[in-house]
Amino acid sequence: NAGVMQNPRHLVRRRGQEARLRCSPMKGHSHVYWYRQLPEEGLKFMVYLQKENIIDESGMPKERFSAEFPKEGPSILRIQQVVRGDSAAYFCASRTGSGNSPLHFGNGTRLTVT
Amino acid sequence: DQQVKQNSPSLSVQEGRISILNCDYTNSMFDYFLWYKKYPAEGPTFLISISSIKDKNEDGRFTVFLNKSAKHLSLHIVPSQPGDSAVYFCAAVAGGTSYGKLTFGQGTILTVHP
Repeated sequence: NAGVMQNPRHLVRRRGQEARLRCSPMKGHSHVYWYRQLPEEGLKFMVYLQKENIIDESGMPKERFSAEFPKEGPSILRIQQVVRGDSAAYFCASRTGSGNSPLHFGNGTRLTVT
Repeated sequence: DQQVKQNSPSLSVQEGRISILNCDYTNSMFDYFLWYKKYPAEGPTFLISISSIKDKNEDGRFTVFLNKSAKHLSLHIVPSQPGDSAVYFCAAVAGGTSYGKLTFGQGTILTVHP
């Protein structure tokens, strides 16, 4: 049973470009979460999605960031017009949604903005 | 506003001895707590959790203690092994929100010496 798959593992973008981060949840998991880890900090919640629905985006910056989880295909975190402060590790996680089932994390995408 | 705090950035322990990692929280709405372990360049891995209706939960070498009145929890690892060397994150969930919406501490780097 494959775990949460994220790609790419490393992404380098120049300021002003767009970054697209992809996440395929574990098989059987319909709840997807995105977290960001800035250097020397813990992980911070960004957004919670189910298929075709954004459930909670209270942790998303108001501008330039968007997320989707389409009916078919992976979840996408999109960052438009990246700035140096967007450099971080972005982790996707999934869970079944039943009871207090724990989150399973992918290995992250390390975004570097030059 | 850091609602979950891990005040020790690092901890060094001899193999075979006990490791005690501490975590404090400020939000009285938190009612479910988890510990995750993270190796470099990997995503966090779930270790153990505890509900606020309990004060102790045990799983093999790992035990989590919760002191609600002090808003404090701790993770005990006995006996510690070199493979336990990693970053340990404490996380909390507020009542009424998704179990996947975690508030993380900054992490404690545990080093277990052979």
